[in-house]
Amino acid sequence: QAVVTQEPSLTVSPGGTVTLTCGSNTGRVTTNSFPYWLQQKSGQAPRTLISDTVNRHSWTPARFSGSLFGGKATLTLSGAQPEDEAVYFCVLAYNGPWVFGGGTKLTVL
Amino acid sequence: EVQVAESGGDCIQPGGSLRISCAASGFPVNMNSMMWVRQAPGKGLEWVSTIIPNGNTYYSDSVRGRFSLSRDNFRNTFYLQMSSLRVDDTARYFCTGHGGNSVWGPGTLVTVSA
Repeated sequence: QAVVTQEPSLTVSPGGTVTLTCGSNTGRVTTNSFPYWLQQKSGQAPRTLISDTVNRHSWTPARFSGSLFGGKATLTLSGAQPEDEAVYFCVLAYNGPWVFGGGTKLTVL
Repeated sequence: EVQVAESGGDCIQPGGSLRISCAASGFPVNMNSMMWVRQAPGKGLEWVSTIIPNGNTYYSDSVRGRFSLSRDNFRNTFYLQMSSLRVDDTARYFCTGHGGNSVWGPGTLVTVSA
């Protein structure tokens, strides 16, 4: 059973930069894992920020970017805003099944 | 505009059955991979199942054999038929597409309780 790992919590200062990571116990995360990054604010449905490793959606602020680094998928937030405080989930594909990470609670403080 | 809307959630007794729906607009469900994701109260997101354009389906270990996916191309809707429901199936169920159609609805609440 695949396990996807994320930092449980991170804190960033307003205007600062932070990188969230998404790893897999089965090995390196690649584009073939089709990493997605979702944002979920308290009491709301999730919203997809990044699809297929790097692709932003029309609603995704430009300060969010996705990539791969060090065998993991990464989500970088450059110029954090108070409204970016949320839980961020990544999800990876495993040739059919998908597995979510446990989420990273990001605090902007 | 690309949208999805879930419906059909209810309160059901353990061992019961329920079908929930996901109606899509702005894109054809039969030409996209679509998935169901659930979130138990206070918990994270859990992948439940996926149907891909050729009709192949995939299920998580926790629901395989109890849940099944189907698709109505005319109504542009896909369904999750749930049977032998258990208390730990209690969750808000979301549907979403892949790639550029990765939009989320508000979800539909399924409560399994005696």
